Amino acid sequence: SAVISQKPSRDICQRGTSLTIQCQVDSQVTMMFWYRQQPGQSLTLIATANQGSEATYESGFVIDKFPISRPNLTFSTLTVSNMSPEDSSIYLCSVGSNGNTIYFGEGSWLTVV
Amino acid sequence: AQSVTQPDIHITVSEGASLELRCNYSYGATPYLFWYVQSPGQGLQLLLKYFSGDTLVQGIKGFEAEFKRSQSSFNLRKPSVHWSDAAEYFCAVGESGGYNKLIFGAGTRLAVHP
Repeated sequence: SAVISQKPSRDICQRGTSLTIQCQVDSQVTMMFWYRQQPGQSLTLIATANQGSEATYESGFVIDKFPISRPNLTFSTLTVSNMSPEDSSIYLCSVGSNGNTIYFGEGSWLTVV
Repeated sequence: AQSVTQPDIHITVSEGASLELRCNYSYGATPYLFWYVQSPGQGLQLLLKYFSGDTLVQGIKGFEAEFKRSQSSFNLRKPSVHWSDAAEYFCAVGESGGYNKLIFGAGTRLAVHP
């Protein structure tokens, strides 16, 4: 199985600031994804991080708010820009590996005050 | 469009009792189906998955799930629940071909009484 490390694991941020979340995988993976889980809710896909090209965003998510980078096959970042309390969520990195299995990181727990 | 329905928001069972969590999906082709568990303050852990073949799938922690195409269901079962099974359970469907994004159900929160 793929081992996924996310940083930071938790953070408290001031509204109006931006935070970059890192996702590191222990092996090369084809697909990397970013999900959001708002308090008490299920997971919603933000975007697919494409290596060497712009991310593919889902409806309701835009690049200006959630810029994503993926410089290689083991690393990606998600930035949450100009944060408001509504951005308080768990942000999870996910990868496709080992025969189509989808694995998740432990998540980055973000609180905006 | 794909969708996943978990009809039960909360379920409470006694320790040692059997468990069945329901999941219904909507997808035109053969789906890739997953069950994940999320313990409080934790990320998601994969319990089991179904891509093809035997419709009864065995997972970790004593869980199993059965894919029923005629009912568009993928229910999760465990014969005897332990207190440590208390968590949130998510059913998800992915596009066939793998390596693809997942659509999640709303989740079922399981409470276990001693």
